[in-house]
Amino acid sequence: KNEVEQSPQNLTAQEGEFITINCSYSVGISALHWLQQHPGGGIVSLFMLSSGKKKHGRLIATINIQEKHSSLHITASHPRDSAVYICAARMDSNYQLIWGAGTKLIIKP
Amino acid sequence: DTGVSQDPRHKITKRGQNVTFRCDPISEHNRLYWYRQTLGQGPEFLTYFQNEAQLEKSRLLSDRFSAERPKGSFSTLEIQRTEQGDSAMYLCAVDRNYGYTFGSGTRLTVV
Repeated sequence: KNEVEQSPQNLTAQEGEFITINCSYSVGISALHWLQQHPGGGIVSLFMLSSGKKKHGRLIATINIQEKHSSLHITASHPRDSAVYICAARMDSNYQLIWGAGTKLIIKP
Repeated sequence: DTGVSQDPRHKITKRGQNVTFRCDPISEHNRLYWYRQTLGQGPEFLTYFQNEAQLEKSRLLSDRFSAERPKGSFSTLEIQRTEQGDSAMYLCAVDRNYGYTFGSGTRLTVV
């Protein structure tokens, strides 16, 4: 069992839909990262969370430390949101990131 | 510009040759990481520096791989006697407690 699990693996939605990507982890963490990677592109850090909720534009990230679960939401999704979204857990014991497998999101116009 | 410059962006090399990549953070960052990403996979941790000290190396980092961060600022990753399996995107990232900043990566193709 992977220490960081994401779901779904693939998600296709229509423009305007509300998107939720989930991440569960089994290790002790100091923070949970959400990152975005466009095809052939570099990785961009979206959020770093250690508790509660953060919002940036149409993106919202939440984390429940007790349940070891985090979600990334996209409101009013747009085709330019199409990318791979990755959650990564920053270990308590060192500064390494344990990566989820990623969620490939496609937003159709 | 991500704040982390990686050079070169692309490298094509013949099997058996040595290659060196460079990572140059624009501003001072204590922690610097190297990751490798193959097509369709998530990044794999290779090694990590705290200032100039290399604190951790993945078992993925065979003897053919070496990384340095001589002055605690820029870092180099060298691969000796490259193999086709080394073909991947090599990513550098820095961390300053508030999040990671990734470079655009160096895409290595070994032919």
